[in-house]
Amino acid sequence: ETGVTQSPTHLIKTRGQQVTLRCSSQSGHNTVSWYQQALGQGPQFIFQYYREEENGRGNFPPRFSGLQFPNYSSELNVNALELDDSALYLCASSSGITGYEQYFGPGTRLTVT
Amino acid sequence: QKEVEQDPGPLSVPEGAIVSLNCTYSNSAFQYFMWYRQYSRKGPELLMYTYSSGNKEDGRFTAQVDKSSKYISLFIRDSQPSDSATYLCAMNEGAQKLVFGQGTRLTINP
Repeated sequence: ETGVTQSPTHLIKTRGQQVTLRCSSQSGHNTVSWYQQALGQGPQFIFQYYREEENGRGNFPPRFSGLQFPNYSSELNVNALELDDSALYLCASSSGITGYEQYFGPGTRLTVT
Repeated sequence: QKEVEQDPGPLSVPEGAIVSLNCTYSNSAFQYFMWYRQYSRKGPELLMYTYSSGNKEDGRFTAQVDKSSKYISLFIRDSQPSDSATYLCAMNEGAQKLVFGQGTRLTINP
């Protein structure tokens, strides 16, 4: 069984740029959720994708957007990067939309300068 | 007021001690309660989940949920240095998002 993978591991961007983060879900899982974890804080829910459609969104502006592909992998896109976007971005996969048993990837650490 | 409150610690105990980690919450609609362990610069690892009130045991770990008090706990018996990590509580209404606490940083000293 393959776990959740994310790429890249680390990324450094400049304020105002755009970034795309990628996630491959665990084998057998059809739902992907994205979270932002600032240093010293718990993860904050960004949004969830189920069967290629957005299925719930947290308090994040529209410049945070996503996609899910037919193989259930997913992308998180962030436009017009701000310094406060510096964080660990986590992808979690689960089976179905109930969402309580979510398995996380190792994360992508984004630094915005 | 945050939906989920968790003492950030840090908490430092000797090897072999019993560790108690706790969270309180305000949303009575939460039904599922999870504990995650996160090592430095890694993703959270699901340790245990519990539905509604009650206890659940898995090896050295016991999770307790008291919905009447809106209070959940994780107990670690015979703590080991390898248990040193940040422990995150998380809760869910049964759909979509998990709501996390801030995390408690735990160190087990040999």
